[in-house]
Amino acid sequence: QKEVEQNSGPLSVPEGAIASLNCTYSDRVSQSFFWYRQYSGKSPELIMSIYSNGDKEDGRFTAQLNKASQYVSLLIRDSQPSDSATYLCAVISSGSARQLTFGSGTQLTVLP
Amino acid sequence: GAVVSQHPSRVICKSGTSVKIECRSLDFQATTMFWYRQFPKQSLMLMATSNEGSKATYEQGVEKDKFLINHASLTLSTLTVTSAHPEDSSFYICSAILPRSSYNEQFFGPGTRLTVL
Repeated sequence: QKEVEQNSGPLSVPEGAIASLNCTYSDRVSQSFFWYRQYSGKSPELIMSIYSNGDKEDGRFTAQLNKASQYVSLLIRDSQPSDSATYLCAVISSGSARQLTFGSGTQLTVLP
Repeated sequence: GAVVSQHPSRVICKSGTSVKIECRSLDFQATTMFWYRQFPKQSLMLMATSNEGSKATYEQGVEKDKFLINHASLTLSTLTVTSAHPEDSSFYICSAILPRSSYNEQFFGPGTRLTVL
């Protein structure tokens, strides 16, 4: 069974710090990787997508992908209280007809 | 702005009734949409893949006769929960892939919170 694993947390960081969220996946030939942010009671919002090894930066967010280690991470710089949410890692695995497999999510709290 | 809409956002119904949830792609055609269910404190669970003009593909353990999916047009998919019971109370979310997306990025609707009394 193809799996995506995340530390469930909760993860707490002080305002202004860097929050580091981690995700591992089991399907070695997975091609597309995504990070979604989900506020309580709301639906997921796509914040980052990454497909190649290395780093991808978008504003305060940096996604890092290491296919050899089957590892994808999300760094949030200068964390703000408004970043407090659950972050979901998602992967499109091989032969999945474009379906996403989600991790269980990491709950992040940024303390003012 | 939002690219996928859902209606209604919240519904409360009595046990035994049927509830229809609409998912619309805004300003683009979606040949494939996905339906998810999320229980409190849990991650999203894919229920089915909705394909325009053909039958939906259901995930293992999802009753296709209970969760009826119709994708009659390129901008609309509907999920009907038939004979709803309290255990069907959940957050139902649809998603669609933008046609211009090279990497199959899925965008989610705002979700429908169903409460069955």
